[in-house]
Amino acid sequence: QKEVEQNSGPLSVPEGAIASLNCTYSDRVSQSFFWYRQYSGKSPELIMSIYSNGDKEDGRFTAQLNKASQYVSLLIRDSQPSDSATYLCAVKASGGTSYGKLTFGQGTILTVHP
Amino acid sequence: KAGVTQTPRYLIKTRGQQVTLSCSPISGHRSVSWYQQTPGQGLQFLFEYFSETQRNKGNFPGRFSGRQFSNSRSEMNVSTLELGDSALYLCASSSRGGRDEQYFGPGTRLTVT
Repeated sequence: QKEVEQNSGPLSVPEGAIASLNCTYSDRVSQSFFWYRQYSGKSPELIMSIYSNGDKEDGRFTAQLNKASQYVSLLIRDSQPSDSATYLCAVKASGGTSYGKLTFGQGTILTVHP
Repeated sequence: KAGVTQTPRYLIKTRGQQVTLSCSPISGHRSVSWYQQTPGQGLQFLFEYFSETQRNKGNFPGRFSGRQFSNSRSEMNVSTLELGDSALYLCASSSRGGRDEQYFGPGTRLTVT
């Protein structure tokens, strides 16, 4: 079992719709969770971080965390063509062996079509 | 604040050679992490430095090494390059390397021929 798994995609949604991206993780001691967006040929860009159970909203983005189910998701409301990118879920464990280490999922490719 | 910078942006090397990549973190950030990104393996953690000390290391061979300077700038070195080392090498900086957020630089695209 992979440490961090994302829905395989690719995901295609019409402009203005809600895009839902999902991620599960295997390490129960994980404490920090991040969503990055990566455009083709570019480096990952941090869009959301979440540390506690529940929802966290930032503009059109909402991250949801459920530690009991080891599940984190990202909702993008009113999706725009400019949101078309690969979305990476990243998880950080606690403890000394986790210093500076993010474990990434394989990414979900999102396409928003006009 | 200026973001994370990496040099060079592109590099072509031959098998057997060695290469050194440089990363300058965001001002005030003391932790620098390095990652390798390939289409097959995705993003994989190489190592992390904080206050000139390597605190964590991923599952890469000893050919991959790094260091950090007193101004928090970091370098990574790959010796005896192999074709499979062709990848995008990314560094990310964070304040302390704990649960805080990491910000990536633009990366160095290394091609080994």
